Amino acid sequence: GAVVSQHPSWVICKSGTSVKIECRSLDFQATTMFWYRQFPKQSLMLMATSNEGSKATYEQGVEKDKFLINHASLTLSTLTVTSAHPEDSSFYICSASGDEQYFGPGTRLTVT
Amino acid sequence: QQQVKQSPQSLIVQKGGISIINCAYENTAFDYFPWYQQFPGKGPALLIAIRPDVSEKKEGRFTISFNKSAKQFSLHIMDSQPGDSATYFCAATLGGDSWGKLQFGAGTQVVVTP
Repeated sequence: GAVVSQHPSWVICKSGTSVKIECRSLDFQATTMFWYRQFPKQSLMLMATSNEGSKATYEQGVEKDKFLINHASLTLSTLTVTSAHPEDSSFYICSASGDEQYFGPGTRLTVT
Repeated sequence: QQQVKQSPQSLIVQKGGISIINCAYENTAFDYFPWYQQFPGKGPALLIAIRPDVSEKKEGRFTISFNKSAKQFSLHIMDSQPGDSATYFCAATLGGDSWGKLQFGAGTQVVVTP
């Protein structure tokens, strides 16, 4: 099946700094990717839809100025968490649209 | 407001037994219903999926039963194995421009005892 990678798999940053997470579709092109957030013992919550070459669409309650999404190519979408705070600590997962939704392995963000 | 409701929250089943997880939805415009398996610290992996024009789909030990009139669907795991111990999520998505925007259920933690 299709493979989606994420980098880094785990990142620790200090409060107030920014961190970038990459999502790549390795063997197919994805005009649409999605970003989800998952807190411990909870379900996945859709944050935003990332479309190649256009602005991302954010779900209600998600701060677009805090979670910057860029989808510059058909195989890469990036999520930048700006001015991170401890409450942003979570598991961030992307998916890429093919004939199915293919999920990445996730990125664990810890903000100290 | 959760658009897909999942139960039970957790489930313990003996090896060789059947695990059954249920989901219900409200939006009749959903047209694709996948199930995902997730291990701790990993991304979800697609197990099996169904469209509303089909009442049942089986792949190996996994079967989806779909009841369109009741707006319910369920996952059956036959001959459960310890390696099946994971969290299972049902999901639903619309078609068209919204294809892929998955609404997830709350998840069911399944433990298969030896």
